[in-house]
Amino acid sequence: NAGVTQTPKFQVLKTGQSMTLQCAQDMNHNSMYWYRQDPGMGLRLIYYSASEGTTDKGEVPNGYNVSRLNKREFSLRLESAAPSQTSVYFCASSPGERPQHFGDGTRLSIL
Amino acid sequence: ILNVEQSPQSLHVQEGDSTNFTCSFPSSNFYALHWYRWETAKSPEALFVMTLNGDEKKKGRISATLNTKEGYSYLYIKGSQPEDSATYLCASFYNQGGKLIFGQGTELSVKP
Repeated sequence: NAGVTQTPKFQVLKTGQSMTLQCAQDMNHNSMYWYRQDPGMGLRLIYYSASEGTTDKGEVPNGYNVSRLNKREFSLRLESAAPSQTSVYFCASSPGERPQHFGDGTRLSIL
Repeated sequence: ILNVEQSPQSLHVQEGDSTNFTCSFPSSNFYALHWYRWETAKSPEALFVMTLNGDEKKKGRISATLNTKEGYSYLYIKGSQPEDSATYLCASFYNQGGKLIFGQGTELSVKP
C-alpha cells in the first residue's frame, strides 16, 4: 500500500535556487494539501486543492506555487528559495472532510 | 484568519497518570474536528474525526469530546504509558472551501 508518496525525502538548496516537491496518492482522494512543519508551530497549511483543477491558498502561501496535475498528483514549487523556507514539508490527501493521510515528509534545507 | 489553539504546549507526566489536552477553534462554518497523533520521525496518524456537538469517541485508553457551540474539544488519555509519548494535533475542518487548519500541537512525554 503506497498511500501518499513524497519525493525527494531530503534536499539541500542554495538561496535563489528553484525546485519542485512532488506528491502522489493512490487512494483516489479528491483533496490534497501541502503543509510545512516548523518547531513549536505545528503544521501550517501552504496550499490545498479541494478537487482536481482547483487550488487555494492556505495560511502561508508566499514564496510557493502549486500545480494539481491530475487527481493523483499535487506538486509544490519554490521559485527562488530563501533560508526562511528551511522546513519539513508534508503532503496529505483526504476524501473531503475525512481524516488526512500524510506522506513521510521532505526535509528541505536552504543555505 | 482561522486560528486553532491547543493547550498546554507540552506536558510531562509519569507512567500511570491520566491527562487531558484542550483544542479551541472558531465555531463559525465549522464542519469537523480531527485529532492526530504524531510520533517523532513519523507522519501524523488520525485518531478521531468528530462532527456533532456532544460527540464522544474512544480508542483504547484515549477518548475525545466535542463542543461545537463553544468551540472546544478535549482529548483524554487514561493511565498514560511511555508509548503514548508523541505530539497530539487537533485540526478543524471548515465547509467553506474545504480547508483543514491545525493547532500547534501538545507534546506529551510519559516517563516510566
